Formats: sequence, C-alpha cells, structure tokens
Amino acid sequence: DIQMTQSPSTLSASVGDRVTITCRASQSISSWLAWYQQKPGKAPELLIYKASDLQNGVPSRFSGSGSGTEFTLTISSLQPDDFATYYCQQYRSYSRTFGQGTKVEIK
Amino acid sequence: EVQLLESGGGLVQPGGSLRLSCAASGFTFRNYAINWVRQAPGKGLEWVSAVGGSGGSTYYADSVKGRFTISRDNSKNIVYLLMNSLRPEDTAVYFCTKGPLTVPTISDYWGQGTLVTVSS
Repeated sequence: DIQMTQSPSTLSASVGDRVTITCRASQSISSWLAWYQQKPGKAPELLIYKASDLQNGVPSRFSGSGSGTEFTLTISSLQPDDFATYYCQQYRSYSRTFGQGTKVEIK
Repeated sequence: EVQLLESGGGLVQPGGSLRLSCAASGFTFRNYAINWVRQAPGKGLEWVSAVGGSGGSTYYADSVKGRFTISRDNSKNIVYLLMNSLRPEDTAVYFCTKGPLTVPTISDYWGQGTLVTVSS
C-alpha cells in the first residue's frame, strides 16, 4: 500500500496567516492527490483534486501544488471558518489511503 | 441536490455481522462509483471499500478484505456494505461517499455517517 504522511500533525495559526500543510507519499502518485477539510462532528468536504484543481465552490484562498511524492495545501489568508482538520488522499492505487490529518488550531 | 443517507449501524458483538445501506438521490446513480470511508472515534479517515458504477468492479482495504462485501442495486439507488467477522477495531463512523466518475477515485459528496460499535 502507498503510505501518506502529513506534516505537521497540528498547526497553530492566527486569522490572516498564510498556512501550508505538506503531504508526502511513499512512492510516486503522479498528481493523483486530493485534499479534504473536516470540521468537528461533520463529514469531510472535498477541497482540491488532481493535486491542484479547486473543487467547485471552494474559496480561492485554498490552493494545492506538487506532483510525484510531495504535495502542499496552502491557505493564503486563514479565515475563522478554516479552523478544521485537513486530510490528503492518494488515488494512484486502488487502496485509496489517507494521510493522518493536520489539525489547524487558533493561536 | 446530491444526498447520501447511511443506515444500518448499531452495536454488535465481536464476530458478529452487520449490513450497512447507503440510499442515494439527486444524481444518475449508475454513472458513479460509491465508496465507504470510516473514522474511528477521535481518529483519522480510513478508506474501506469502493464499487464502480456498474457494480462489476469492487475494491477493499487490506484491513477488511475477506470480511466485508460491497454491492449495489442500481434499480433501487442503494449501496450495501456487508460486514462479517466484526472486530473491536472496526468500531467507527462509516461514511458513504460518491465519486465524480464511474471508476472509483475520490469522494466529492459525503453522507453524514452511521456509527458501528463492536463490543461485548
């Protein structure tokens, strides 16, 4: 199975900060990577697919980049609604593994 | 509006069985893959299983292979997850998700989940 490793596990930031989350794959997944946001008690929501394509309705402050084994999710200016946990997921192999998650907390 | 409604969760003893259902509406059901993703209490997301739009292709995580069976009824717009030989580590909220393509890829819509508790 392809292993996905996110860093950091927890991130403390303030409203207006630029935030970057990293996701590394144990082998090349080309651009077959998605990012999700999950708020407490809610189902996750898709933010980005194919590493950098923004899902319809997602604010443009979210962006994704990378290919191969290293990927980043960037929030250009953190908003109060963005405090949540973020997960990456690879879909290069049929075992669609997720990263362990990155919790973005209020500083 | 896309809707996915899971049901069938509950408390079951180790070694027991449970069948989850996911009733879908708001899209042409047979054209899209469906996934099951679970989340143990306080933990991260784990992809469990997927079925292609026609139902002919099924996929499983190693942790459930041989114990879980995914299937779909395109005449009723329902996906099932039959879970046998349940273990305490299967305790989780199980989400039904829709993919954007006929073949399984990612999850563009999610249900609200159903809780499965495996305990004696």
